[in-house]
Amino acid sequence: GQNIDQPTEMTATEGAIVQINCTYQTSGFNGLFWYQQHAGEAPTFLSYNVLDGLEEKGRFSSFLSRSKGYSYLLLKELQMKDSASYLCAVRALYSGAGSYQLTFGKGTKLSVIP
Amino acid sequence: ETGVTQTPRHLVMGMTNKKSLKCEQHLGHNAMYWYKQSAKKPLELMFVYSLEERVENNSVPSRFSPECPNSSHLFLHLHTLQPEDSALYLCASSQVAGQAGTQYFGPGTRLTVL
Repeated sequence: GQNIDQPTEMTATEGAIVQINCTYQTSGFNGLFWYQQHAGEAPTFLSYNVLDGLEEKGRFSSFLSRSKGYSYLLLKELQMKDSASYLCAVRALYSGAGSYQLTFGKGTKLSVIP
Repeated sequence: ETGVTQTPRHLVMGMTNKKSLKCEQHLGHNAMYWYKQSAKKPLELMFVYSLEERVENNSVPSRFSPECPNSSHLFLHLHTLQPEDSALYLCASSQVAGQAGTQYFGPGTRLTVL
């Protein structure tokens, strides 16, 4: 089966940098996604990695190491509006279906404080 | 309207009721998904419809019944639900190929079963 681990909660200061880690064990890895979810709202797509290395998109960057089953999301110049849950999701072979589907971690609740 | 829409946004129902959740996507995608999000649990894939296939999570009880009349519309029919079915039900859509399957989520239906 699929297993995805990420910290439950993190706190960081406005203007600082925070790194949210995600480790995974899956069969048939085919990409890793990061989503942001504000309380009571839909998850919104942040980033996608399928090859090893760093993908940068403005204040947000995501890193992937397939050999280590590891990814992180880096948020720079934190703003209060970045307070949200950050979901790590891995696309991998879905049991019994023979197709690739997303399996999500429980999410990391980030609180940005003044 | 743009993106992925869901109705109703909130639903309270008794255990003997029958109701349906509706999802519509305006992104030209050809795959649609139902997810369940319960407190302190990861998003759980329930059903997938795409051009080639329908995927079911075998752990989803038969009191949940999906229907996908075309590539833009998706329904989740509910009957004789249990209180533990109370959760946020999220619909998503994606393209099957390409940066394949970056999934875009609707705002969700907050379901409460009394």
